[in-house]
Amino acid sequence: QVQLQESGPGLVQPSQTLSLTCTVSGDSISSGDYYWSWVRQPPGQGLEWIGYIYHSGSTSYNPSLKSRVAMSIDTSKNEFSLSLTSVTAADTAVYYCARLYVCLDSWGQGTLVTVSS
Amino acid sequence: QSVLTQPPSVSGAPGQRVTISCTGSGSDIGAGYDIHWYQQFPGTAPKLLIFGNNNRPSGVPDRFSGSKSGTSGSLAITGLQAEDEADYYCQSFVTGLSGLGVVFGGGTKVTVL
Repeated sequence: QVQLQESGPGLVQPSQTLSLTCTVSGDSISSGDYYWSWVRQPPGQGLEWIGYIYHSGSTSYNPSLKSRVAMSIDTSKNEFSLSLTSVTAADTAVYYCARLYVCLDSWGQGTLVTVSS
Repeated sequence: QSVLTQPPSVSGAPGQRVTISCTGSGSDIGAGYDIHWYQQFPGTAPKLLIFGNNNRPSGVPDRFSGSKSGTSGSLAITGLQAEDEADYYCQSFVTGLSGLGVVFGGGTKVTVL
């Protein structure tokens, strides 16, 4: 049973860079045809897809965030990461990492990131 | 604003049947991409409920069912139970300039009266 766990700072200052890591256990991040994804959810709002990365390093990002997003993957540590630059209060959200194949079949518990000075 | 359209809320009495619609366009659902549904309780991560339009993962009760037709789909809950009170999201895909993208509905809150 695959498990995903997000980690990173819970507070980020405006205009700075948000950085999160998702550690995967119970499955090799470089095996299979899975795409490793990030999804966020602002307080009281719905889900927003941020992007995904394949173990080869190829990526796809939400066009609305593409200019500020970068994802990377470290197969030796079985983890993948998210970087979001120039954050504002609108980026305050619970950030989830998830495994994508046919659908988002496994999710991390989520981590709240607050953008505030 | 979400790409897929869902009603903000639906409600029903215990034992009743409720449905949640998910409407897309020719670029996403109508392009042939499947619809998937997630259930989310407050303070917890979404959980896969229905995949591939009408398939249930192991452990999901058969009172949950899904369908798809054209550019839309729906989730049905028959024999509504108090424990079904949650938020429900539909999800599909869209082909964009940078490849295949994931799209969500805005979510529907199910209230058991």
